[in-house]
Amino acid sequence: GAVVSQHPSRVICKSGTSVKIECRSLDFQATTMFWYRQFPKKSLMLMATSNEGSKATYEQGVEKDKFLINHASLTLSTLTVTSAHPEDSSFYICSARPQGDTEAFFGQGTRLTVV
Amino acid sequence: DAKTTQPTSMDCAEGRAANLPCNHSTISGNEYVYWYRQIHSQGPQYIIHGLKNNETNEMASLIITEDRKSSTLILPHATLRDTAVYYCIVRGNNAGNMLTFGGGTRLMVKP
Repeated sequence: GAVVSQHPSRVICKSGTSVKIECRSLDFQATTMFWYRQFPKKSLMLMATSNEGSKATYEQGVEKDKFLINHASLTLSTLTVTSAHPEDSSFYICSARPQGDTEAFFGQGTRLTVV
Repeated sequence: DAKTTQPTSMDCAEGRAANLPCNHSTISGNEYVYWYRQIHSQGPQYIIHGLKNNETNEMASLIITEDRKSSTLILPHATLRDTAVYYCIVRGNNAGNMLTFGGGTRLMVKP
């Protein structure tokens, strides 16, 4: 299947700093990518839909100024957690689907710990 | 997208078949049934999907009832590495449709 790569796989940062997470589609182009968040022992929750060349669409309750999404090319979307706080500690996962394919593929996830 | 209902957890003996059920009684005609699994601390992995016919691939088989209101994912010979949370998701096939995850079934394969 297609490959989606996330970087970094885990990051620890101090409160108040910003963290950028990258999501790349390695062998296909993706006009749309999805960002999810997952708390321990919980299911994945969709945060936002990232659209290449236009603004992201955020789910209700997700602060767009807190979670900045940039999808500047057909193979890269980035999620920046700004002014991170301990409650932002979570597992962040991106997803993309090749055009013409029916299944979506997921990155390996990024575990963010804010101390 | 239609909602799905799955058991919270299941156990299976290593080497035996694991049968994971999913109810999706409100599924509409153009919605597919997808199965993904998530091994601890990894991103979800695609397993299989289908519309109305039964499907089989190298990982699993998907049996969809004739009325499409339920389905079963079958792992024919479960191994310890199949221990994971299995998600059954119903979704239309438009390009922008995201996957909405429910609680899934936590499958524990035991030696």
